Amino acid sequence: DTGVSQDPRHKITKRGQNVTFRCDPISEHNRLYWYRQTLGQGPEFLTYFQNEAQLEKSRLLSDRFSAERPKGSFSTLEIQRTEQGDSAMYLCASSLRAAGNTIYFGEGSWLTVV
Amino acid sequence: KQEVTQIPAALSVPEGENLVLNCSFTDSAIYNLQWFRQDPGKGLTSLLLIQSSQREQTSGRLNASLDKSSGRSTLYIAASQPGDSATYLCAGIANAGGTSYGKLTFGQGTILTVHP
Repeated sequence: DTGVSQDPRHKITKRGQNVTFRCDPISEHNRLYWYRQTLGQGPEFLTYFQNEAQLEKSRLLSDRFSAERPKGSFSTLEIQRTEQGDSAMYLCASSLRAAGNTIYFGEGSWLTVV
Repeated sequence: KQEVTQIPAALSVPEGENLVLNCSFTDSAIYNLQWFRQDPGKGLTSLLLIQSSQREQTSGRLNASLDKSSGRSTLYIAASQPGDSATYLCAGIANAGGTSYGKLTFGQGTILTVHP
């Protein structure tokens, strides 16, 4: 078990460009979550999947953001037309379906929009 | 809406001291409470998970308690070491049905520094 894997770890992009982050959850974990964290703050929930179904989306997830989990395994988070306010760490997490299970986080993907 | 507050925001202690980090939440209908550790520039490492039916969990030098009636959780660290220096975050999951499972609401964290 290699844990939750995220790629890339760091991304610097120019304002207006599109970026995509990938997350590989712990194998057999059917729940996958995306969070965003800015400096000095706790992570904020963005969205979550159970298998391939996206079950909940935060109002933080504007229409420039889209997340997919096409086969219920890895997930991608795409940000279109990036803005400087999108600069943050994007964290992926996974867990088993049962509500009492621990949620495990990856190392995060740092995004800097210049 | 669940809100989570952590006190203190920062704490500096000498090595060997026992310490307590506090976490309070507004919605007593909490299902799970999870404590995490975050090193600078890194992701979150899960420390302890307390389920709704439990009052505390222990792992090594760490002990976490949950009091739903008062809306509080504490993380006790015994015999602190410099390697314990990190940001500690608590997060709760509200008990509002299946679609809320996994939606953690985090506090802002306590920055702990343990100096030799």
